[in-house]
Amino acid sequence: GEDVEQSLFLSVREGDSSVINCTYTDSSSTYLYWYKQEPGAGLQLLTYIFSNMDMKQDQRLTVLLNKKDKHLSLRIADTQTGDSAIYFCAESGYNKLIFGAGTRLAVHP
Amino acid sequence: GAVVSQHPSWVICKSGTSVKIECRSLDFQATTMFWYRQFPKQSLMLMATSNEGSKATYEQGVEKDKFLINHASLTLSTLTVTSAHPEDSSFYICSAMPTVRTGTEKLFFGSGTQLSVL
Repeated sequence: GEDVEQSLFLSVREGDSSVINCTYTDSSSTYLYWYKQEPGAGLQLLTYIFSNMDMKQDQRLTVLLNKKDKHLSLRIADTQTGDSAIYFCAESGYNKLIFGAGTRLAVHP
Repeated sequence: GAVVSQHPSWVICKSGTSVKIECRSLDFQATTMFWYRQFPKQSLMLMATSNEGSKATYEQGVEKDKFLINHASLTLSTLTVTSAHPEDSSFYICSAMPTVRTGTEKLFFGSGTQLSVL
């Protein structure tokens, strides 16, 4: 069945790079997304990648897609305390979005 | 784990009618629920934040008189699309935030509602 998995927790030092990983199962997904949830707020779209792309870069964010292994990653360069949040990856399954459980990113001095 | 039930899964209606979508947290209380909308081949966009016992907070560009949100209990939020038109056809999804925080503050999602307006 459709499933999206991601690690639950990541702790990094301020200024380091963060890499959040995600695996998915639906090879027919057209788009794959990264969403950010700050404390007490709803999801906000962070970035997305079309399934025929391998990489997408947007300022401090780099998304890598390995379609063969169904692996998606989000790299945040120069991680700041304001990046502390929960990050959800999602795949566009048939007629719906399938979300992972979310990875909590904690940034410490 | 926590379950959010969203109903109906899909609905087809005539232009000009109103459609109500329900979002229920089945095994936890949710003071805050969120409503999202997704157009075909586009990303999920937050429409509004629903707070139990108070008015919803709408995102910029979302018509509050068009999309009525009622969060009358700690386990139920409803979204009513009033006088629906074909351009309202979309995929709507809700999420709920548990009132009792476990330290993760994670959202739990409904399975979504596909609305088609003829």
